[in-house]
This record gives sequence, structure tokens and C-alpha cells, in this order.
Amino acid sequence: EVQLVESGGGLVQPGRSLRLSCAASGFTFDGYAMHWVRQAPGKGLEWVSGISWNGVNIGYADSVKGRFTISRDNAKNSLYLQMNSLRAEDTALYYCARDLYSISFDAFDVWGQGTMVTVSS
Amino acid sequence: EIVMTQSPATLSVSPGERATLSCRASQSVDSNLAWYQQKPGQAPRLLIYGASTRATGIPARFSGSGSGTEFTLTISSLQSADFALYYCQQYNNWPPLTFGGGTKVEIK
Repeated sequence: EVQLVESGGGLVQPGRSLRLSCAASGFTFDGYAMHWVRQAPGKGLEWVSGISWNGVNIGYADSVKGRFTISRDNAKNSLYLQMNSLRAEDTALYYCARDLYSISFDAFDVWGQGTMVTVSS
Repeated sequence: EIVMTQSPATLSVSPGERATLSCRASQSVDSNLAWYQQKPGQAPRLLIYGASTRATGIPARFSGSGSGTEFTLTISSLQSADFALYYCQQYNNWPPLTFGGGTKVEIK
């Protein structure tokens, strides 16, 4: 079964850091680009960051650029999001999502169930 | 950044009727447009990509059309499982990939 399982969310104070992980199974992880997409409570979807299969293509939303870093470990079938200098507006459910393809950024055909990040003092 | 605008915000439809959802891009995205369905408490599900190609396992009652800046998702005969939120997303110009604000399809 194709599956993505996120972890690492929680309650964190403004200005602190958090690292999200996404464990992939049931497919050839290094055959796909991967993404993080977030959804604030009661709000719509916002793309956060994406990375191609080999890490050559990386992109960020302006709202997180310079604060968040995406990475992947193909040997461990895992995707990561290092989030620094967190702000209240980063509070959201963070989804890990698989791209349709390997190099470019496209649509997302597999999603995890998400991990909640709450930034509050 | 390409801004995606969906209309209407809410669509009230009776079961068995047709639903037509619109998505407009602030500039051309060719056919690089996807549609997702999201139900409460669930992750989004890919319905359509390439503006008109159904994703694996998606019923034929879902169809997508359009290119450039104007797109439509049509649900030919609404079933109870189809009442949900729908989002469009462009992937022609990135970063960033951008989503529309969503259309809620509710029971009339």
C-alpha cells in the first residue's frame, strides 16, 4: 500500500524550531518529487515547499523562504522540513504529498494524513 | 505569483444534479491545472490533472475542461459522497505552486 506518514508536529513557542518528517512506503521513493503543503485551521491549502527526486530542484513559498529547509534521504525513504523562527501564522496542519513526477513540480497524487503544528506562547 | 480564483465559494446542488465549478488563473497556466476533493478531517484527494485527465480510481462522473486561464470541473450527477470542498491548483509557473480558495459543494 502506498503510504505517507508525517510526524514531528506539536506545540512550539514563537521563534523556536521544529523538524517534521514524512516516512514513505509502498512505492519507489526516489522516483518522485515530494512536497509539503499546509492548511491553517478552517482555511485553504497552501504549498510550502517541494524537492525533486535528486534534490536538484527545490522551491519555497515566499512566506517560509529563509526560515524553512526541505530535504530528503532516499536511502531512508524519508522527507523532512526543518522549520526555524516559527511564527503564529505558521500554525497549520502540515501534509506531506507525492508529486506525479520526479523532476518538475506538478500535481500531488498521494497525501499523508498530516501533522499539526501550533505556534503559541 | 499566479493567483487562482474559484467560483462560486459555495454551490448548493441536489443529489443527482450536475455541478459546475469554475477556476480562473491570473495568467495562462496552459493545461497545467489540477483539481482536488477534500472532505472534513481528511487529506485532499487528486481528481484531475492536466486539466482533463482523471486520476487513478476517479469515477467518470468527474470531468475537467479548459486551458489557459479558464477551467471547469463538472460532476455530472452528484452523489452523497461528492459533497465536499474542491480546490484547483496550478503547476505551470513555480515556485510557488498555487491553489484556489476552494468551492464548497453542499446539499440543496
